[in-house]
Amino acid sequence: DSGVTQTPKHLITATGQRVTLRCSPRSGDLSVYWYQQSLDQGLQFLIQYYNGEERAKGNILERFSAQQFPDLHSELNLSSLELGDSALYFCASSGGRSSGNTIYFGEGSWLTVV
Amino acid sequence: GQNIDQPTEMTATEGAIVQINCTYQTSGFNGLFWYQQHAGEAPTFLSYNVLDGLEEKGRFSSFLSRSKGYSYLLLKELQMKDSASYLCAVRDQTGGFKTIFGAGTRLFVKA
Repeated sequence: DSGVTQTPKHLITATGQRVTLRCSPRSGDLSVYWYQQSLDQGLQFLIQYYNGEERAKGNILERFSAQQFPDLHSELNLSSLELGDSALYFCASSGGRSSGNTIYFGEGSWLTVV
Repeated sequence: GQNIDQPTEMTATEGAIVQINCTYQTSGFNGLFWYQQHAGEAPTFLSYNVLDGLEEKGRFSSFLSRSKGYSYLLLKELQMKDSASYLCAVRDQTGGFKTIFGAGTRLFVKA
């Protein structure tokens, strides 16, 4: 158990819809990252937050947005969903005393768009 | 930007040793990670190198040469459960300490 909690674990939704994925980081971690992994593909970096502020941005589509709240949990919002958005979305965290620079991953949220 | 290259697939025999190479190009290198990922599961942390040299942790060792932009992960006494993808990731301090992952090397361990 990495200590990073993601919900929901599985989600099926229709094209054009909007979903929100939720992440609670490891206790003490200030950084939260979101990654997308499509079937048999590598991990694509989407976005990183540090203590509530956006820190780095990767290949995140304009239809996607994220935020980190004062209690450090984060949400990834995916809108106007397309079939190609079907993927495993990972949240990860780092930056706490025990984590340091190491990124620890949650179990992921499986999103299927039909 | 960043560029990370590692072989797509490797096959090795149970009990043997395998070396998975990773080369990278990045403007603001700040450390290199290796992760193991079984299909459909979360990546799990294996090692972190920030200085040149070899880091050993049980059956797994990781090496880094910053001047060559090169790392390898060495797995000894291979077990069937080591069949997984191995991800090389580089931490880049340019533009906010992003950690970018390579596409991964799928390792098949055969009996």
